[in-house]
Amino acid sequence: QQQVKQSPQSLIVQKGGISIINCAYENTAFDYFPWYQQFPGKGPALLIAIRPDVSEKKEGRFTISFNKSAKQFSLHIMDSQPGDSATYFCAAFPSMDSNYQLIWGAGTKLIIKP
Amino acid sequence: DADVTQTPRNRITKTGKRIMLECSQTKGHDRMYWYRQDPGLGLRLIYYSFDVKDINKGEISDGYSVSRQAQAKFSLSLESAIPNQTALYFCATSDGGPPRSEQYFGPGTRLTVT
Repeated sequence: QQQVKQSPQSLIVQKGGISIINCAYENTAFDYFPWYQQFPGKGPALLIAIRPDVSEKKEGRFTISFNKSAKQFSLHIMDSQPGDSATYFCAAFPSMDSNYQLIWGAGTKLIIKP
Repeated sequence: DADVTQTPRNRITKTGKRIMLECSQTKGHDRMYWYRQDPGLGLRLIYYSFDVKDINKGEISDGYSVSRQAQAKFSLSLESAIPNQTALYFCATSDGGPPRSEQYFGPGTRLTVT
């Protein structure tokens, strides 16, 4: 079973701090790594995504860092705000999988304390 | 109006009952998905459909069935509900382009089986 391992399961960060969520994968055929953000009572929504040909992608306060040799990628939220409190899911897309299905991490519940 | 809608939003049912969860979308996407979300387990794929005539089992299809009535409608049925099917259920869609395309989620159905 292909897996994406996500950590930590929960995270509390002070307002203004940096939130870091990590994911690791095993299958080297993954070639697309999205992050989804889910607010309470809502479905997940795409936040940011990266392909393995780049080591970093930044969109506003959100940055994905990608380490292909270590098979790890992480989400950094700079200047974390209470509105960032949500559950975050990493995922990976296996390029060689004919079923074309995302493999999901277990999620991280992030709480930003005012 | 929401692009992906799910009905009902909440449902409590008894063990052994048949229940249907419905999903409709106005995004014009060909691909539709059913996931369940459990704390600590993330999102797990139940069934997916690439078009009206193409339905595929996901990771955890046992105990579930689906029907794709039209491009815009995809229903999930629990033939004989059991307590461990208590979960949050999400419908999602994506377009028929590259398989890495963004998935759009509905607001979810919270199902409790007593």
